[in-house]
Amino acid sequence: DAGITQSPRHKVTETGTPVTLRCHQTENHRYMYWYRQDPGHGLRLIHYSYGVKDTDKGEVSDGYSVSRSKTEDFLLTLESATSSQTSVYFCAIRGFDTGELFFGEGSRLTVL
Amino acid sequence: DQQVKQNSPSLSVQEGRISILNCDYTNSMFDYFLWYKKYPAEGPTFLISISSIKDKNEDGRFTVFLNKSAKHLSLHIVPSQPGDSAVYFCAASGKVYGNKLVFGAGTILRVKS
Repeated sequence: DAGITQSPRHKVTETGTPVTLRCHQTENHRYMYWYRQDPGHGLRLIHYSYGVKDTDKGEVSDGYSVSRSKTEDFLLTLESATSSQTSVYFCAIRGFDTGELFFGEGSRLTVL
Repeated sequence: DQQVKQNSPSLSVQEGRISILNCDYTNSMFDYFLWYKKYPAEGPTFLISISSIKDKNEDGRFTVFLNKSAKHLSLHIVPSQPGDSAVYFCAASGKVYGNKLVFGAGTILRVKS
């Protein structure tokens, strides 16, 4: 157990509304990631962070922003949700001495 | 363009037999490869990895083979068990990608009892 908690686990919202997903970790990992999972696409990187206030874009970052004001929390924000952002979102942390990522349980977002 | 490809969306195997899941990659700069398993409504969990300096890595019933010249890796599960039924993702990483993983689309494995 890598001590990762995602919230909310499920959310239904309407097009155009802002949404924030939270990832919380308890083990002081430096690297944190947000991925989305969609059928036929696997897991695609949205944004990642390599330290407090240090973030960078992934391959599908359009329409998303992130913030990391403290080590344990990595927030993903959809400023104005669209139906194409309906997906399952996974937060991950990188192991201390390895290249493996450890994932949270996911947040299922439906945008109507 | 997908850099990591899993061309078989699904695979069905009889319990006790071997399951072979395949993965191809296009970028020769990848030097570290991983397999993840995912059950419904759960996050992916790390299964096994291999560095490009090796061509085989084994962990119990799971073995990963790497063929660098063909840019191909495979995951062998022997013997397959019903509890192995899940989605399997191949992932790759490399120094040029920093600490990021690039994932394939996944293969659904069904092990029939």
